Amino acid sequence: GENVEQHPSTLSVQEGDSAVIKCTYSDSASNYFPWYKQELGKGPQLIIDIRSNVGEKKDQRIAVTLNKTAKHFSLHITETQPEDSAVYFCAASISTNAGKSTFGDGTTLTVKP
Amino acid sequence: DTEVTQTPKHLVMGMTNKKSLKCEQHMGHRAMYWYKQKAKKPPELMFVYSYEKLSINESVPSRFSPECPNSSLLNLHLHALQPEDSALYLCASSQGGSAAEAFFGQGTRLTVV
Repeated sequence: GENVEQHPSTLSVQEGDSAVIKCTYSDSASNYFPWYKQELGKGPQLIIDIRSNVGEKKDQRIAVTLNKTAKHFSLHITETQPEDSAVYFCAASISTNAGKSTFGDGTTLTVKP
Repeated sequence: DTEVTQTPKHLVMGMTNKKSLKCEQHMGHRAMYWYKQKAKKPPELMFVYSYEKLSINESVPSRFSPECPNSSLLNLHLHALQPEDSALYLCASSQGGSAAEAFFGQGTRLTVV
């Protein structure tokens, strides 16, 4: 089955700095890679996703890159703000059954004001 | 409307009790999921329903019994649970097909005493 590794497990940055979270996956059949933000006491919220036919996707301060050959994908957050503080999960799945995702172990991001 | 609604938000039950968790979505999604999330861990898939039929059971103990009464509703019936079953139970839904995005509810925080 699929295995997703996520690094780092914790990340602390100063407000305004950039944050980068990296994931690797094992199953070459995976073609859909969502990123979720989970705030304390809430469910995961989809913040950005990328499909295997695209190398990069950007949405305002958030961008995701994908290297299919190396089976790597990364989340980039620029100009971080305190409200970006949360746990971030990467995931990998096959797009026709995206809810059956394999998650990384999560990264706790703290943005210091 | 991209909302998945779960009730109750919190539940405390004894090991001999029977209770049910409910999940509702009105996005017309054809796939619905139950996940279990322990503290500081990623969500773990329990069940997948596709077109109201159970398609995946990830070897979940029989004390957890899912039910999909219609395309908008998903229930999880609980009976004779153990304290180690205490966790955040998350419901998610997705359109299926090429529309891959999965949306999560806020979860039910379950405590078994």
